[in-house]
Amino acid sequence: AQSVTQPDIHITVSEGASLELRCNYSYGATPYLFWYVQSPGQGLQLLLKYFSGDTLVQGIKGFEAEFKRSQSSFNLRKPSVHWSDAAEYFCAVGLLNTGNQFYFGTGTSLTVIP
Amino acid sequence: DAGITQSPRYKITETGRQVTLMCHQTWSHSYMFWYRQDLGHGLRLIYYSAAADITDKGEVPDGYVVSRSKTENFPLTLESATRSQTSVYFCASSDRRERIPRSGANVLTFGAGSRLTVL
Repeated sequence: AQSVTQPDIHITVSEGASLELRCNYSYGATPYLFWYVQSPGQGLQLLLKYFSGDTLVQGIKGFEAEFKRSQSSFNLRKPSVHWSDAAEYFCAVGLLNTGNQFYFGTGTSLTVIP
Repeated sequence: DAGITQSPRYKITETGRQVTLMCHQTWSHSYMFWYRQDLGHGLRLIYYSAAADITDKGEVPDGYVVSRSKTENFPLTLESATRSQTSVYFCASSDRRERIPRSGANVLTFGAGSRLTVL
């Protein structure tokens, strides 16, 4: 079945530490890939997107993500986490010729400790 | 205020009642979407609209009705609410210029959400 998987439901990191959030997808073709962040009580904000070209994409707030076709992954990274990064992170996939549907992962909740 | 606004932000209702969640965007975006967010399921698309008077079903449309008589508004109605419709509902919009070539997938801008509890 087609799916977007975020294997880590919850991650806790110390402020200043590096961060990697995992995202895997299972689709036959190369999808369009996105990472969104949701702060408590807020809507979702786009962090970054991958359509084609350079597989390492830069986003807002110091985040980056790398598309690895061989691993069907699009992991999100940040070299040094800030307390304000505590939020829910969603990976999303858009497919060729599927109209206007996104498929979202179940999310990873990030806690940042001092 | 510019942006995408949802109302009400919080709603408690009873089983069987009709509920309408409102979504208004000021950007004149062509596309609008309704998602529901549930623990363990992420976000699932309920309905979407490509333009005024054009709507289509998403992944989980049963029990919901939408309309889009004006570009800026996209209300979502639960005609007879059930407990399983307790959820957080997000409206989103997208500008046609953000449309990804060939895929039809768009970059979404989300509202702050409406938390609905059905007792």
